[in-house]
Amino acid sequence: QSALTQPASVSGSPGQSITISCTGTSSDVGSYNLVSWYQQHPGRAPKLIIYEVDKRPSGVSTRFSGSKSGNTASLTISGLQPEDEADYYCTSFTTRHKYVFGSGAKVTVL
Amino acid sequence: EVQLVESGGGLVQPGGSLRLSCVGSGFTFSDYWIHWVRQAPGKGLVWVSRVNGVGNGNYADSVEGRFTFSRDNAKNTVYLQMNSLRDEDTALYYCARVVGPTTIAGLDVWGQGTTVTVSS
Repeated sequence: QSALTQPASVSGSPGQSITISCTGTSSDVGSYNLVSWYQQHPGRAPKLIIYEVDKRPSGVSTRFSGSKSGNTASLTISGLQPEDEADYYCTSFTTRHKYVFGSGAKVTVL
Repeated sequence: EVQLVESGGGLVQPGGSLRLSCVGSGFTFSDYWIHWVRQAPGKGLVWVSRVNGVGNGNYADSVEGRFTFSRDNAKNTVYLQMNSLRDEDTALYYCARVVGPTTIAGLDVWGQGTTVTVSS
């Protein structure tokens, strides 16, 4: 199972909005609404920010939103803040009933 | 406080074995899927395995046949028995809980990780 494709890096200025894409196939992203997104700061465990495509866990900022179209899922961060600088990973359930993570995207706040 | 704590990592020679443990607290442990996810140094997250409350689950292709999960709900513990270890299994291993008893995706509680190093 190949990793889902994410851009290696995405950057934006404080207050701007950025979108991170996560491209899979009809065997994973395209088959289920079971895409999750994680934020990981250096040396820290990942933090769930979106699950089931567009649901936010309790306590996660409304600046984070998720969507999906076909085989591509997207995470949008609105009102970019310095603390948003981190690595972001998507993951999807697959038709083989396994999970695949994305390659990861590094977000830089300029 | 809801938390997961991993242990059991260490240095092992290629071909060797290790057993990781993941102890949960602060929630009804038996209601939740528990996943193992690993991260090699400087690399991304990789899914390894999952097990549900009654001990069923599955594995990534890269570890199938070498790794075995088990679960003891009386001890709030999930185990990952890792055999025939390879250099490429070197990683920080996290256990994580699915966000709710009625879903299968979204890992909302993570442990701090335990480091496995496979080297001669």
